[in-house]
Amino acid sequence: GAVVSQHPSRVICKSGTSVKIECRSLDFQATTMFWYRQFPKQSLMLMATSNEGSKATYEQGVEKDKFLINHASLTLSTLTVTSAHPEDSSFYICSAESGGGETQYFGPGTRLLVL
Amino acid sequence: SQKIEQNSEALNIQEGKTATLTCNYTNYSPAYLQWYRQDPGRGPVFLLLIRENEKEKRKERLKVTFDTTLKQSLFHITASQPADSATYLCALYNQGGKLIFGQGTELSVKP
Repeated sequence: GAVVSQHPSRVICKSGTSVKIECRSLDFQATTMFWYRQFPKQSLMLMATSNEGSKATYEQGVEKDKFLINHASLTLSTLTVTSAHPEDSSFYICSAESGGGETQYFGPGTRLLVL
Repeated sequence: SQKIEQNSEALNIQEGKTATLTCNYTNYSPAYLQWYRQDPGRGPVFLLLIRENEKEKRKERLKVTFDTTLKQSLFHITASQPADSATYLCALYNQGGKLIFGQGTELSVKP
């Protein structure tokens, strides 16, 4: 149980384009999902908390207009990187909280490369 | 603010030995602490959660201790195997209810 998937696993795009990343909880419902970013040799940094049916909560320094989050159902949250630039190249990972809220289960991550 | 520190240097051990990884935290007393495994290019995988009233927790070859006085957790892998090679992350929820991670310790088990 507690499986989280992400799609795509890897994306290469041109500067200025938008990229959408999907995060799904496959065998449980998640009212709360999280989006993290990880740069090489660094730990995960929380970008935003995605709540089903309401607006996402963004961490300080994360531009909400650049990183659009939609949590339309209890099993799906999407992150759209708008007008991507090379500095947005990173590893993006989503997670979903289990029912008790004590543990987060992570997706396999999406490697974004902006040329 | 809460800080988590893990051994920043990679840990290299021989197959069959016990690997011990350290996690220290400051400025907060979490109700529980978690350990994750992360392989290169992959998301973290949940391993164990230990609560403040539990001194020790085991799962197969894994053992975690939690010393709330020292503000430290130790993560042990006994009879280590090359397949255990990965980065191990310590994590806890801060006072704001957000999961924060240590920088991870890279473990390499040589055959």
